[in-house]
This record gives sequence, C-alpha cells and structure tokens, in this order.
Amino acid sequence: QSVLTQPPSVSGAPGQTVTISCTGSSSNIGAGYDVHWYQQPPGTAPKLLIYTNYDRPSGVPDRFSGSKSGTSASLAISGLQAEDEADYYCQSYDRNLSGSVFGGGTKLTVL
Amino acid sequence: QLQLVQSGPEVKKPGASVKVSCKASGYSFTGHYMHWVRQAPGQGLEWMGRVNPHTGVTNYAQKFKGRVTMTMDTSITTAYMELSRLRSDDTAVYYCARDKEWGGYPLDYWGQGTLVTVSS
Repeated sequence: QSVLTQPPSVSGAPGQTVTISCTGSSSNIGAGYDVHWYQQPPGTAPKLLIYTNYDRPSGVPDRFSGSKSGTSASLAISGLQAEDEADYYCQSYDRNLSGSVFGGGTKLTVL
Repeated sequence: QLQLVQSGPEVKKPGASVKVSCKASGYSFTGHYMHWVRQAPGQGLEWMGRVNPHTGVTNYAQKFKGRVTMTMDTSITTAYMELSRLRSDDTAVYYCARDKEWGGYPLDYWGQGTLVTVSS
C-alpha cells in the first residue's frame, strides 16, 4: 500500500485531456512538501516530468502541467498523443517516514 | 553528455549480498546527492535512500535500514549500493538517480537500471 494514492489506470483518445491524481496526507503533501512527477514508458528508466509541483524541466512539452492543493496533487496531460502512453508516478517527502515516497503509479492508455 | 551507467545484471541466492555500481560522467559528481530507487517486476517505484557525496552521510528508507549501504567514491565518480541478506522479494530493477538540485528530491537523471534476481 503506497503512502501516495494514484488511480491504477486512466485512458483517453488522441487530442483529449486526462488528469492523474495523487492523494497524500498531512504528513507529506498536506505538510507542504513538494510533489514531483515521472513518466516511465515500458522497459525504460523513469524520466522527470514535473518538479516542485508545477515546473517543467527543459524539453518537456507544455502539454504536461502539474498542480497541488491541500493533501493532493494532479498531473494534467492535454492534446494526448500515442507517445504519451506510459506509467506515471508522483513523488513527495513524508516526515513520518523521514524519506521520499512514490505513488503506486498510473498506467495511461491512449485509445 | 551527462550519464549514469550501472553495472550488469546479477543473480544471487537468498541470504547473499549484492553490490550495484553507478558510474557518473558529464557533471560535477560532488554537486549532487545520489539516490537509489528500485522497481519489482510489474510493480511501482520504491525509494531506498540517498548519499551525500561530500560527507558520505546517508538517509535510508526505514524499510531498508540495517540491510542497505550506500557509498560514493569521488575519485572515480562512482556510487555503490549494497543490499545484504537478500530475499526473493528483493528481485527488482535497481536504479541510481541524481538529485536535480543539492539536497532536493526531484531526480533528473537516472541510470539504465540493474536487474537483481534472487533465486535459490
């Protein structure tokens, strides 16, 4: 059971917008710790997609956006493309565990 | 260019230890913590801990305390992760990854991963 909860799967048609949620608690996201997002296509290493809640590393399209409110965060992907099909993970810090934690991951399927 | 290149796959018996290496190049090795993350087959990412390249001070996830040792050899820009008393549920791909900014947790560059298989 992950400390950060994500939906196991989401799907959308090309061109649509999907949102992936990441729900935490008062010991992690709700305590003000930043949330980061990763994209992991099958068989590859994770790639940093969003850091400190909404910033994008250079090279990441602005179709990807992050937000945070209360004990939750969200990743939105607009203008879905076939290449977006991957697993997505959120990450934060948990003060009770004194370490970083990941969500369980969400598999995005582009229909 | 910036690279993290990990050592090859390992097969170990239960109770043994494994040491995975991560050779860094293309950036200031001492300017970033090195983290280790693992992923069991078909499962999600699990943060194991990190090591400060200047002091060698480590922060381990509670689950791995007592079994994991993370070190860095700055002379050859290589980080190591050793896991002892291996069990079958330690079978996973182990990744090294550097922090984007000193002391932070977003991880911007990752190694290619090292598959460790624990089987009798």
